Amino acid sequence: DTGVSQDPRHKITKRGQNVTFRCDPISEHNRLYWYRQTLGQGPEFLTYFQNEAQLEKSRLLSDRFSAERPKGSFSTLEIQRTEQGDSAMYLCASSPWTSGSSYEQYFGPGTRLTVT
Amino acid sequence: DAKTTQPNSMESNEEEPVHLPCNHSTISGTDYIHWYRQLPSQGPEYVIHGLTSNVNNRMASLAIAEDRKSSTLILHRATLRDAAVYYCILRVFYYNQGGKLIFGQGTELSVKP
Repeated sequence: DTGVSQDPRHKITKRGQNVTFRCDPISEHNRLYWYRQTLGQGPEFLTYFQNEAQLEKSRLLSDRFSAERPKGSFSTLEIQRTEQGDSAMYLCASSPWTSGSSYEQYFGPGTRLTVT
Repeated sequence: DAKTTQPNSMESNEEEPVHLPCNHSTISGTDYIHWYRQLPSQGPEYVIHGLTSNVNNRMASLAIAEDRKSSTLILHRATLRDAAVYYCILRVFYYNQGGKLIFGQGTELSVKP
């Protein structure tokens, strides 16, 4: 296994279009996180899954955003009716998890979205 | 979430040690101190973490103050590949916590040959 992968790496779309990103985590990791990063800022948490269950969503995740992890493996992040303010790098991370432990997160290379 | 304060930028010379400071005066007893770094055009990368004792790994050392209100990431010999933004993050770990990372602005480290 070579780490977390994300597809596509770059996406240019017109305002109002829908886009979907995919994240493939490290295979034995049961936690999967999505973050968003704008230029010059640190990443901001969006949501996370434990297996197929979405356990937390940030208030940054408006109702135009939806994330799924249907079989507890890969995840998708969809943005409907994109706006220019959605232009950012979308990062996915995964980690193992057992109760009471502090595991590091492994990040993918990100998907850079540009909304024109 | 408890907050961290880091300098915006630091410079280092290649082959010299680098000490990256982080203040976290409101840290609580259950907060772990995590460091990640982000190289240009890449996702963040885990560096090291600790709770109370100093920690060493192949990448770096983490020195934690006795009162835990500050910590220092030490790169023993900086290389050009260490040029990155370094983030100091406090991560709460209760049994039911999600373990999300709350990133600040970080310190941009530049390394001169």
